[in-house]
Amino acid sequence: DTEVTQTPKHLVMGMTNKKSLKCEQHMGHRAMYWYKQKAKKPPELMFVYSYEKLSINESVPSRFSPECPNSSLLNLHLHALQPEDSALYLCASSQIGDGHQPQHFGDGTRLSIL
Amino acid sequence: ELKVEQNPLFLSMQEGKNYTIYCNYSTTSDRLYWYRQDPGKSLESLFVLLSNGAVKQEGRLMASLDTKARLSTLHITAAVHDLSATYFCAGRWGNEKLTFGTGTRLTIIP
Repeated sequence: DTEVTQTPKHLVMGMTNKKSLKCEQHMGHRAMYWYKQKAKKPPELMFVYSYEKLSINESVPSRFSPECPNSSLLNLHLHALQPEDSALYLCASSQIGDGHQPQHFGDGTRLSIL
Repeated sequence: ELKVEQNPLFLSMQEGKNYTIYCNYSTTSDRLYWYRQDPGKSLESLFVLLSNGAVKQEGRLMASLDTKARLSTLHITAAVHDLSATYFCAGRWGNEKLTFGTGTRLTIIP
């Protein structure tokens, strides 16, 4: 069992739908991340939240909207997605600072856009 | 910007053999991580390498870091089937930012 919990595990949506991905951790980590992973490729960073504030946005299209309601929760709101957005979306968390501990990843949400 | 390259991209090994995966990175990275990913699964942390000359071992896997050469290696000793997976190295730069290598898909053949 992973310590970072993501829901739902699978999501199929149309291009006009609005949906949200959710991520939760209870390790006291103050940095949380969204990554996108296409098949047979490495994860690509999308967003970083540090102390519940957005610190990095890797030029992600505005149809992806992150939100960090509190230190344990991270959401990714989806709207008007394109077929090329179909991928595995991974959430991760870590301590902030010296990098002595790795990022901990959830099991991901597999997203399919019809 | 940090670029991270791994080789080989694909590796097919016989059980019992030894092999090494190489991870090269383009600029200063203050931390180097190795992760394992099984098909359809999440990433599992294997090693965190913190400084030049760092070496860490867990079971049949050993990772090392040479910051002067900008090179990390993951050595597999006497491979067993359970080690079949995709292995990623990742460099940290700009505080909390990780850049992942291209990945090495390892298949252990009986």
